[in-house]
Amino acid sequence: GQQVMQIPQYQHVQEGEDFTTYCNSSTTLSNIQWYKQRPGGHPVFLIQLVKSGEVKKQKRLTFQFGEAKKNSSLHITATQTTDVGTYFCAANAGNNRKLIWGLGTSLAVNP
Amino acid sequence: GAGVSQSPRYKVAKRGQDVALRCDPISGHVSLFWYQQALGQGPEFLTYFQNEAQLDKSGLPSDRFFAERPEGSVSTLKIQRTQQEDSAVYLCASSLAMGGSFTGELFFGEGSRLTVL
Repeated sequence: GQQVMQIPQYQHVQEGEDFTTYCNSSTTLSNIQWYKQRPGGHPVFLIQLVKSGEVKKQKRLTFQFGEAKKNSSLHITATQTTDVGTYFCAANAGNNRKLIWGLGTSLAVNP
Repeated sequence: GAGVSQSPRYKVAKRGQDVALRCDPISGHVSLFWYQQALGQGPEFLTYFQNEAQLDKSGLPSDRFFAERPEGSVSTLKIQRTQQEDSAVYLCASSLAMGGSFTGELFFGEGSRLTVL
């Protein structure tokens, strides 16, 4: 079935370093969403990207949607310990309202 | 309430028991989703409701799983004759979106953690 591949699976950084997670699909996506899940918590919506080549920023977070709408990235500048958690991408493809989720990237930040 | 409410937060069941998990979505949210999340994994889609209509149940792993939303608000996920592989966190999410192919922003509950012994 349709899949969204997300890499890396884990990332350890020193506080202040940058962090990027990537999502890739073999099929064209209608849109892509990003969620953050803190340890022991539930996913919390961060952003939705719809347009080809779209770039959105939220403070230190930058989200991109590829020109072909098959890939996306989340970049965090100057990580802080509050950024710790697992970041998931999730996408709609075709006329299907079922979100396809990546496996997530777990971010650990050393103070 | 202000957010999606799920109960119970924790449930321990003996293998073979039936369990029922409740979800109270945000008032006015048309769409309701159930997901299963195993430890260290992403959420796996189970089923989706638009109002009281169950439009997609393709993710339910077996006929032991049943979900309903009879009045278009509160939903219940029932698992019959639980097995150890059913142990997971069951997440409920709701959204305002209706129609079209976009799920819309999902608001998740805290989840119900099921442990089957």
